[in-house]
Amino acid sequence: GENVEQHPSTLSVQEGDSAVIKCTYSDSASNYFPWYKQELGKRPQLIIDIRSNVGEKKDQRIAVTLNKTAKHFSLHITETQPEDSAVYFCAASKEGGSYIPTFGRGTSLIVHP
Amino acid sequence: EAGVAQSPRYKIIEKRQSVAFWCNPISGHATLYWYQQILGQGPKLLIQFQNNGVVDDSQLPKDRFSAERLKGVDSTLKIQPAKLEDSAVYLCASSPMLNTEAFFGQGTRLTVV
Repeated sequence: GENVEQHPSTLSVQEGDSAVIKCTYSDSASNYFPWYKQELGKRPQLIIDIRSNVGEKKDQRIAVTLNKTAKHFSLHITETQPEDSAVYFCAASKEGGSYIPTFGRGTSLIVHP
Repeated sequence: EAGVAQSPRYKIIEKRQSVAFWCNPISGHATLYWYQQILGQGPKLLIQFQNNGVVDDSQLPKDRFSAERLKGVDSTLKIQPAKLEDSAVYLCASSPMLNTEAFFGQGTRLTVV
């Protein structure tokens, strides 16, 4: 089955700095890569996703890049703010396919004011 | 649009007791997922339904866990009998199609004592 590795497990930055979280996946058939943000005690919420037919996607301060050859994808947050503090999860799956979405173990991002 | 509804929010039971969780997905979403999230880890898929059929339950401990989605809408997840290691948040999610953007419910926090 799919195996998703996520690094780092904890990331501490100063407000205004950039943050980068990296994930690798094992199954080349995966074609859908979402990122979820989970604040303490709350549900995971999708913040951005990328499909395997593109290499990069941006949404304001958030961007995701995908390298299919190397089987890794990264989340980039620029101009971090204290409200960005949360746990971020990457995931990999085959959209429309019958094998299960696999999540990374999560990165706890702490943005210091 | 209304989100994924789950109940109860919290449950405390003794080991060897039974417990059931309920989920109502977003209207029109064919795919429903049950995830187990242990503290400090990413969500782990237990079972995935497409309408009222099981797509994957390979990670469901079938000796004690069961789930159903009889009419292709609401779903229940049951644990019988519970073990200490079942303490976790049980998240229900739904998506319009298999393995695409998933919308999560608030989760049920289960504590087994």
